[in-house]
Amino acid sequence: DAGVTQSPTHLIKTRGQQVTLRCSPKSGHDTVSWYQQALGQGPQFIFQYYEEEERQRGNFPDRFSGHQFPNYSSELNVNALLLGDSALYLCASSLFSTVAYGYTFGSGTRLTVV
Amino acid sequence: TQLLEQSPQFLSIQEGENLTVYCNSSSVFSSLQWYRQEPGEGPVLLVTVVTGGEVKKLKRLTFQFGDARKDSSLHITAAQPGDTGLYLCAGAKNTGTASKLTFGTGTRLQVTL
Repeated sequence: DAGVTQSPTHLIKTRGQQVTLRCSPKSGHDTVSWYQQALGQGPQFIFQYYEEEERQRGNFPDRFSGHQFPNYSSELNVNALLLGDSALYLCASSLFSTVAYGYTFGSGTRLTVV
Repeated sequence: TQLLEQSPQFLSIQEGENLTVYCNSSSVFSSLQWYRQEPGEGPVLLVTVVTGGEVKKLKRLTFQFGDARKDSSLHITAAQPGDTGLYLCAGAKNTGTASKLTFGTGTRLQVTL
């Protein structure tokens, strides 16, 4: 049973560019949440998708946007990249009805902005 | 503003020692979860506690949810090098029809021989 799959695993981009990160949730899960994790810190909530809609959003600027597809997979897009966007981006999946009981995380995408 | 504060931030102990990690907040959560994260990997769920005062044991790990559902602790008995990692607590809040997890600041544990 495949868990959460994220791609790519590593990415280097230049300031001002745009990036798209992808996530396939665990089989049977319908909700995808995205987190940004700076080195040595706890993950910060970006947004959550369910039924192809953004259901909740954290304190991130509009440069961060997302999408969920009918097969529950999701994309995270970041425009006009800043050096401060360098981080590990984590995708987490769950059932919408049991978010409070835990997520399954992917291994993340390490984004470096130079 | 970080809703969940963990202490200590860093902990370096020798194999066989006991330790406790704390997760504190001024907010009430519907549930609280503990995760462990190793370098280059995503967090892995260890346990979820739901009821105030609840205690759960997972081998040498004991988790407790505060009576008021605002805080939690993780106690490890006879730590082993395999326990090394970043320990994260996460609180769930129900906002309307959805739940959101907010993570704590993390406790980095290193267990040496």
